[in-house]
Amino acid sequence: GAVVSQHPSWVICKSGTSVKIECRSLDFQATTMFWYRQFPKQSLMLMATSNEGSKATYEQGVEKDKFLINHASLTLSTLTVTSAHPEDSSFYICSARGGTSSHYEQYFGPGTRLTVT
Amino acid sequence: ILNVEQSPQSLHVQEGDSTNFTCSFPSSNFYALHWYRWETAKSPEALFVMTLNGDEKKKGRISATLNTKEGYSYLYIKGSQPEDSATYLCAFGGGATNKLIFGTGTLLAVQP
Repeated sequence: GAVVSQHPSWVICKSGTSVKIECRSLDFQATTMFWYRQFPKQSLMLMATSNEGSKATYEQGVEKDKFLINHASLTLSTLTVTSAHPEDSSFYICSARGGTSSHYEQYFGPGTRLTVT
Repeated sequence: ILNVEQSPQSLHVQEGDSTNFTCSFPSSNFYALHWYRWETAKSPEALFVMTLNGDEKKKGRISATLNTKEGYSYLYIKGSQPEDSATYLCAFGGGATNKLIFGTGTLLAVQP
């Protein structure tokens, strides 16, 4: 149980284009989803928290107009990197919590490697 | 700024060796400490969620202890096997928020 998928697993795009990453909870309803970014040799850094049906809450320093998050259903959240630039190249990973999760348990997807050329 | 630190950064051991890693976290406003195991190209897998000072959890050859007063947790692997090779992450959950703050992980490589 508690499986989260993420698509695509890797993507290469040109500078200036937009990229959408999907995060799905496959066997539970995710009331809250989280998006993290990880740069080489650094820890997972929380970008934003989204609750189904409401606007995402972004962490300090994360541009909400650049990283658009949509959590329209209890099983799907999307992260769109708009007008991507090489400095946005990173590893993006989502996690999800269900309504019955305790102690802030989060279930992770496998991540997406984004390379902007 | 809340900081979670893990040591060592990486570890190479021989099959059969026992090993342990450390996670240091803020001792105030503690709610939960999570350990994850993360193999390359896979999702991080939850190992333990620990909430009480003095907690000890065990899963097969892997166990963990928790000291919330001094802000550290140890993860132990007994008789390491090549399949234990992965990055081990700890994450601190503070009260009044559902956010997790992660350490940078300990990369374990077990040589057969």
